[in-house]
Amino acid sequence: QKEVEQNSGPLSVPEGAIASLNCTYSDRVSQSFFWYRQYSGKSPELIMSIYSNGDKEDGRFTAQLNKASQYVSLLIRDSQPSDSATYLCAVSWSGTYKYIFGTGTRLKVLA
Amino acid sequence: ETGVTQTPRHLVMGMTNKKSLKCEQHLGHNAMYWYKQSAKKPLELMFVYNFKEQTENNSVPSRFSPECPNSSHLFLHLHTLQPEDSALYLCASSHFKGGNTGELFFGEGSRLTVL
Repeated sequence: QKEVEQNSGPLSVPEGAIASLNCTYSDRVSQSFFWYRQYSGKSPELIMSIYSNGDKEDGRFTAQLNKASQYVSLLIRDSQPSDSATYLCAVSWSGTYKYIFGTGTRLKVLA
Repeated sequence: ETGVTQTPRHLVMGMTNKKSLKCEQHLGHNAMYWYKQSAKKPLELMFVYNFKEQTENNSVPSRFSPECPNSSHLFLHLHTLQPEDSALYLCASSHFKGGNTGELFFGEGSRLTVL
C-alpha cells in the first residue's frame, strides 16, 4: 500500500485560474508535509511546508492540511504558464528521518 | 555557493566501471540523503545519514555503496551497475531536531547513464 498518493494528471488549467493539487497519505503520528515543484530535467524545489491543520499562505500559493481526513492540498492562484511543472507531495513522520514522496501531479497552465 | 551541490552533473559509465557521485551541503544541516528518481516512478529513498551515522538503507543493492565522512559531505560509490540503474540521483539535506524533520533541500542531481 502506497503511503503518499497523488493523481498523476496532467491537470490543465487556463492562465489566471486557480490550480488545485491534492495529496493523501497513510495515517501516522505527528506528520510534517511538504510541496515541491519539479521542472522537467531539474531537481525538486521546495515551495511550502505545513505542519498543523488549516491553511498556510505564501504569495500565490496556499497549502491546506486536514489531518482528520488525511489529505494535504496546494492551491496556486493566478496560475501562470511558468507554473507548468510536476508538483510533488512529501510526508515525514515524527521520529523518523524519512521523507516519502508521491508520484507527483503534472500541471499544465494554458496561455 | 548553492545550498546543496552535486558532482558530476552527468555521468556515463559501462557496467564494469567504478565511479563516485559527490554531494556537499552548505546549510549546516545534520542529515543527508540519497534519492533515486526513475521515469514514471516516485522518488525512491536509498540512504539516510544523520550525524554521519547511516540510519536508513532501503534495501539498496550492494553495487551502491554510500560514504559520509562528515555532516557536510556524502558520496555514492558505484560499481558493476546495470542498465536499469540509469536514473537521476539526487542528494538532499535537512536538519533533524527534537524528533522532527525540517525542510528537505535537494541538489541539482547527477544524471547517470549505464551502458
